[in-house]
Amino acid sequence: EAGVAQSPRYKIIEKRQSVAFWCNPISGHATLYWYQQILGQGPKLLIQFQNNGVVDDSQLPKDRFSAERLKGVDSTLKIQPAKLEDSAVYLCASSPNQNTGELFFGEGSRLTVL
Amino acid sequence: QKEVEQNSGPLSVPEGAIASLNCTYSDRGSQSFFWYRQYSGKSPELIMSIYSNGDKEDGRFTAQLNKASQYVSLLIRDSQPSDSATYLCAVISGGYQKVTFGTGTKLQVIP
Repeated sequence: EAGVAQSPRYKIIEKRQSVAFWCNPISGHATLYWYQQILGQGPKLLIQFQNNGVVDDSQLPKDRFSAERLKGVDSTLKIQPAKLEDSAVYLCASSPNQNTGELFFGEGSRLTVL
Repeated sequence: QKEVEQNSGPLSVPEGAIASLNCTYSDRGSQSFFWYRQYSGKSPELIMSIYSNGDKEDGRFTAQLNKASQYVSLLIRDSQPSDSATYLCAVISGGYQKVTFGTGTKLQVIP
C-alpha cells in the first residue's frame, strides 16, 4: 500500500514570497490533516479535512495560509506572503476516518524562509 | 494551560533500563490517546493507542491511562539505543475529533 506522498521535500524562499505544498493521502482515507512542526516543538494542527470539507481550521493563519482538498483526494497548502516564522516542516497526514487518531504521515516538506 | 503537556527532556536511561514517559491533558472529555515515535529528521509514526483506563501492553511497550487524573504514560522495557527518539503524546478531543500533539519528550538510551 502506498503511503502519504508529499512534495516538495525541501523549499527555500525569501520572506514575502509564496510557496505551495502538495499532498496525496493513502487511497481511501477520508480524513486529511496538515500540521506545522517547528524545530523542537510538537506538530501543530493547521487544518483538518473530512473528504473535501473543512472540519477544523481554527489555528490556520488565514491572512496568509490557505488550503484546499480537491475532490476529496489531493490537497494543497499555500503560504502567501511567507514570514520568517513560517520556517518549519509541514506534515501531511491521513486517516481512514476522523474518529481515529491513527494518523499516517508523509515525509514532510521542510520550508526555510530567509 | 496547554491541551497536551509533556516534559521535553531529554530523558536519559541506560541500555536495558525502563524508560517512563508521561503526558497530561486538559480536556476531561477526551476518549482516545496515542503515542507516536519520531526519529530525528523523520515523521511521526504510531506505536501505541489506548482508549480505556488501565494498562495496554505491546511487546516492550506499555501504555497506561488514568482518566480521573488526566494522565497517560508510556513505559519502554529493556530500552535499546534504537529507542532513542522523541515520543509524542496525542489526544483526540472536541466535537470534530481534533488530534492534538504534545511537544514531545526526547529519549536518549545510553549504550
